[in-house]
Amino acid sequence: EPEVTQTPSHQVTQMGQEVILRCVPISNHLYFYWYRQILGQKVEFLVSFYNNEISEKSEIFDDQFSVERPDGSNFTLKIRSTKLEDSAMYFCASSEIYLAGGGETQYFGPGTRLLVL
Amino acid sequence: EDKVVQSPLSLVVHEGDTVTLNCSYEVTNFRSLLWYKQEKKAPTFLFMLTSSGIEKKSGRLSSILDKKELFSILNITATQTGDSAIYLCAVEEGSNYQLIWGAGTKLIIKP
Repeated sequence: EPEVTQTPSHQVTQMGQEVILRCVPISNHLYFYWYRQILGQKVEFLVSFYNNEISEKSEIFDDQFSVERPDGSNFTLKIRSTKLEDSAMYFCASSEIYLAGGGETQYFGPGTRLLVL
Repeated sequence: EDKVVQSPLSLVVHEGDTVTLNCSYEVTNFRSLLWYKQEKKAPTFLFMLTSSGIEKKSGRLSSILDKKELFSILNITATQTGDSAIYLCAVEEGSNYQLIWGAGTKLIIKP
């Protein structure tokens, strides 16, 4: 059964370093998403991506974040200069379709646990 | 291979009906099972279940876990149109807090 995969499963980095979180969405999906969940807090939407550009982003997704689809399979989230508060679980998701009002089925990856020291 | 399977994939009921959503799992290093409601963007947390047989309740929603038969159910009584959403089940596994997600049940409540 097709699934969304994410690597690495966990990453520890020093404050100020750049990290790249990788996701392989389901192959026929066209819409991609990143979410994060700080430990003990709610899941937060970061960004959605379609046709090689950002469709929507939250206020969390500032200039230190960027997303890219470098090839036909990977979808990456780059955090340029990590801060302590970036420590969180980062989930990637993909969907076949996109509904402006929500309600499309999104398939989630298992997450990358990022710890910034 | 770890997996989480939800059923049904979609469900349409009338306001006032009671619904039961199912989640079965095969996960090697089970830590907990979580239910989320996703309406527009980020899923919102509903329940975390770690022990068998203990019902968790929040208003009209309740959930229970069976660790022997490896499943959980989410019940919604007296459904309202605002309950329309995708309900996601996820199992937390291992030591990295990774989640194995189900594909969700799309619930539509008709007035």
